[in-house]
Amino acid sequence: KNEVEQSPQNLTAQEGEFITINCSYSVGISALHWLQQHPGGGIVSLFMLSSGKKKHGRLIATINIQEKHSSLHITASHPRDSAVYICAVPGSARQLTFGSGTQLTVLP
Amino acid sequence: GAVVSQHPSWVICKSGTSVKIECRSLDFQATTMFWYRQFPKQSLMLMATSNEGSKATYEQGVEKDKFLINHASLTLSTLTVTSAHPEDSSFYICSAPAAGVYEQYFGPGTRLTVT
Repeated sequence: KNEVEQSPQNLTAQEGEFITINCSYSVGISALHWLQQHPGGGIVSLFMLSSGKKKHGRLIATINIQEKHSSLHITASHPRDSAVYICAVPGSARQLTFGSGTQLTVLP
Repeated sequence: GAVVSQHPSWVICKSGTSVKIECRSLDFQATTMFWYRQFPKQSLMLMATSNEGSKATYEQGVEKDKFLINHASLTLSTLTVTSAHPEDSSFYICSAPAAGVYEQYFGPGTRLTVT
């Protein structure tokens, strides 16, 4: 079973700061998901990436398959970015194993 | 993008009753759907894999007689929590992988509270 570790668990930032959340996993994968979960619980898929880097607005996700590591960056953070960010990796049957999540709070 | 819906979004039920949660893929067919649950302050954990036309497969520690899964069609999977107990109170989410790619689409989740 793939072990997925995220860091940090909690992160508080001032508005405008650059934020990095890290994810590492133990078993080689074909792709990795970054998800956002708001206080109500609903999950939004941010990225699915299998190599290199992807960018969407102020969000950037990178992955290094050889090192089994991915990062999620938020540039010019804003209070509305406050949420739990979760990385997840698929198993052989595409079921996901989730990291424990990073609670991000961006203060105005 | 593809959409997965869940119904209801929240439900409160009394201990001992049964609750059914529906997961629908609205614009694509899903031969497989996954059911996850999330207890407070914990990460999402896979409960079971729902397979259209065959029995669901359950993760270790998940009681198949308590959490009944029916994948009635290529767009609908249901999870029925039978004889609910307060410890079943949780957030339940389904997801469906899109055919042929690594994308997964998530339902908005159902918050179950058993009193």
